[in-house]
Amino acid sequence: DSGVTQTPKHLITATGQRVTLRCSPRSGDLSVYWYQQSLDQGLQFLIHYYNGEERAKGNILERFSAQQFPDLHSELNLSSLELGDSALYFCASSVRDGRADTQYFGPGTRLTVL
Amino acid sequence: QKEVEQDPGPLSVPEGAIVSLNCTYSNSAFQYFMWYRQYSRKGPELLMYTYSSGNKEDGRFTAQVDKSSKYISLFIRDSQPSDSATYLCAMSAGNYGQNFVFGPGTRLSVLP
Repeated sequence: DSGVTQTPKHLITATGQRVTLRCSPRSGDLSVYWYQQSLDQGLQFLIHYYNGEERAKGNILERFSAQQFPDLHSELNLSSLELGDSALYFCASSVRDGRADTQYFGPGTRLTVL
Repeated sequence: QKEVEQDPGPLSVPEGAIVSLNCTYSNSAFQYFMWYRQYSRKGPELLMYTYSSGNKEDGRFTAQVDKSSKYISLFIRDSQPSDSATYLCAMSAGNYGQNFVFGPGTRLSVLP
């Protein structure tokens, strides 16, 4: 158990809908990262927050957004969902701002868009 | 060319074999190198973390980094069926705002 929690574990929804994925980092970790993992794309970095502030963006679609709250938990919002958004979504946390820190991954949320 | 490439696999070996997993990269700024193990449908788990060139050993696992060749390896000695998983290499330049880049992963099966 990495200490990172994600909810829900599974999510099934329809195209065009909006969903929110939640992540709670390890106690004391200030950084939260979001990743998307699909069968043909590997692990793709989406976005990184440190202590409430956005630090870096990766391959995140405009339909996706995220935020980190004062209690350091983070939410990833996915809207206007498409079939291709079906994937595993992981969050990871680390102590610092990501410069040379190791990341600890949560168990993931499996999103299925029908 | 992708920033990080990994031997595609899948790889099947008999129990007890020595396994070599490899990644190459193109960004010479990478200084921090990691190997993660991911069991099916689970979150990646950090196995090894190394900085710059050289070797690092932890039990049956040895991570090797050759920055001059932009090549990293993970060796698993006395492989066990429980080692069957997907192995992901990851690396970072370590600068502010820089993030980790992951390889696509190599799926390993260790047969009893």
